[in-house]
Amino acid sequence: QVQLQESGPGLVKPSETLSLTCTVSGGSVTTDFWTWIRQPPGKGLEWIGYLSYSGSTYYNPSLKSRVTISVDTSNNHFSLRLSSVTAADTAVYHCVRYKPPAFDMWGPGTMVTVSS
Amino acid sequence: EIVLTQSPDFQSVTPKGKVTITCRASQSIDGNLHWYQQKPDQSPKILIKYASQSFSGVPSRFSGSGSGTDFTLTISSLEPEDAATYYCHQSSSLPHTFGQGTKLEIK
Repeated sequence: QVQLQESGPGLVKPSETLSLTCTVSGGSVTTDFWTWIRQPPGKGLEWIGYLSYSGSTYYNPSLKSRVTISVDTSNNHFSLRLSSVTAADTAVYHCVRYKPPAFDMWGPGTMVTVSS
Repeated sequence: EIVLTQSPDFQSVTPKGKVTITCRASQSIDGNLHWYQQKPDQSPKILIKYASQSFSGVPSRFSGSGSGTDFTLTISSLEPEDAATYYCHQSSSLPHTFGQGTKLEIK
């Protein structure tokens, strides 16, 4: 059974870079697609982007200029970097496995607040 | 970007009742529509893929239908544990998008 766990700072200052890591256990990051999805408090789900098993990345155009998703196969984890954050980036960030056609395994999520 | 619009935004139903949630896409997505359940303080969980195929372990009271632009999720014989927010998601084209969610209350 694949399990995912997000980690990283819960508080980021405006204009700085948000960095999160997702550790994958029970599966390998060299297969499937590894995804970040966020959910602002009390709101819906937004796909940020994913990284494929081949190393290709696909980002939401609304965030593309600020997002980087990368993978560390030796440690079986993948990461999110979101630059120049504002209060609008405050959200629960989920790391998720995309096994086409659906997002089938989700981490518990980590709350990130952007505030000075 | 494909916009998914769910209706209703909120529904309150009694146990053993039946509810139908609709999801309309801004353009045809064939059958590439999937449904998730999110309970309070939990991550979403996949219920149905490709409009009507139930995921392993999902109770049979959950069913889906539709194709093209109009889809429905039906929950029959509601249980108290079905109180949650339900989201549709399309994988037809990037970026992946979700409906705004339908909050279901069990009275």
